[in-house]
This record gives sequence, C-alpha cells and structure tokens, in this order.
Amino acid sequence: GAVVSQHPSRVICKSGTSVKIECRSLDFQATTMFWYRQFPKQSLMLMATSNEGSKATYEQGVEKDKFLINHASLTLSTLTVTSAHPEDSSFYICSASKGDYGYTFGSGTRLTVV
Amino acid sequence: RKEVEQDPGPFNVPEGATVAFNCTYSNSASQSFFWYRQDCRKEPKLLMSVYSSGNEDGRFTAQLNRASQYISLLIRDSKLSDSATYLCVVNIGGNMLTFGGGTRLMVKP
Repeated sequence: GAVVSQHPSRVICKSGTSVKIECRSLDFQATTMFWYRQFPKQSLMLMATSNEGSKATYEQGVEKDKFLINHASLTLSTLTVTSAHPEDSSFYICSASKGDYGYTFGSGTRLTVV
Repeated sequence: RKEVEQDPGPFNVPEGATVAFNCTYSNSASQSFFWYRQDCRKEPKLLMSVYSSGNEDGRFTAQLNRASQYISLLIRDSKLSDSATYLCVVNIGGNMLTFGGGTRLMVKP
C-alpha cells in the first residue's frame, strides 16, 4: 500500500526560528502532495498544493513567504515555517495521492512555538 | 457557508447503539466523497469511500445523495473503539480534498 512518512512528529521551537517538515512517499511517486494545518478542535485546512518541479499553489490567506514549500523530487516535499510565532503552533499534515483517488496522509507534525 | 458541513457533536452513545452522521456539501461539481476517521492527535485515516449506489463495509454503511448534496454514515453495533472524530471529505477536483469540521463520537460502556 501507499506509505507517506512525515518527520518530525513533534517539534518545539523558539519564536523567530524556522522549522522544516519533511514528507516522503516511500513506495510510490507523488507528483502532487498537499499540506494541511489543523488547529485544536478544528478540521484540516488545506494550506498549499505542492507540485514536483514547480512552484506550490497556496490557498487564500496562506503566506507563501512564511510557509516555504519545496517539492524537489517525486518522493519528497518539504514545508518550512519561517520565523515561527506562537500563532503558528498547530498540527501540520501532508498527504499524497497515487492518482487513483487513494489519498495517504503522513502521521503529522505537532509544532509548538514558544 | 462552509463547503462541507457536519454536525460537530459530540454524539454520546452506549455500546451496541446505531448512530448516523450527516454531511452536506456545497459544490455540485464535487467528484468523489469519503469518510475519514481521526483519532485524537493523529492523522486522518480513510474509513470508506462513498458511492452513489451506497456501500457497506461491515458495521459501516455510507450513502450519497447527489441531488441533495448529502452524505451519510451509519455505524451499527457501536464499539468502544469507534470513539473518534469522523470527517466527511469531498474531492472537488484536481485531487484536492475539502474536509468537513468533523463529528465527534463517544461510545460509552
């Protein structure tokens, strides 16, 4: 089956620092990956669509200069939260599709900015 | 209006009960539909896809009414392990998923 690995699972960082989150498709090639954010007691909200070899497409209200996405290969997409602030504390989840409507999610990254 | 709406619950039911969740979506061009289950602080996991003809998987039955833009999930003989948040998810195209706010289920002994 399709496996997506996401690291780290949990990170605590100081305000003003940057954090990189990796999302890897382990047994399939993902031309497109998706990044979601989930605040406590809320649903997942799509942040951006990551396309291999091209620029990411950001949803309205998501700052592309703050949330840098790099999809340099067919198996790896990274999300970097730059100059993180406490309000960026959230649960970040990536997902990838094999193209047959089978979506697989990473295990998520819980970011706490102190 | 949210694109995908669900009753947030919580639904508190005893073991063995039958419980039904509803979901409405606003985009009539939506292409595919799913129910996901999310446990606390975990990633969502696919429970089942939803087809127009309705489909069943063990104790779970999902139905789709395209005319009313309505999706349902029925859980029979609830187990303690069914306690989770159930997310109604719609693919509006381009493999992009839109999530409902989730319905929280708590099954009590």
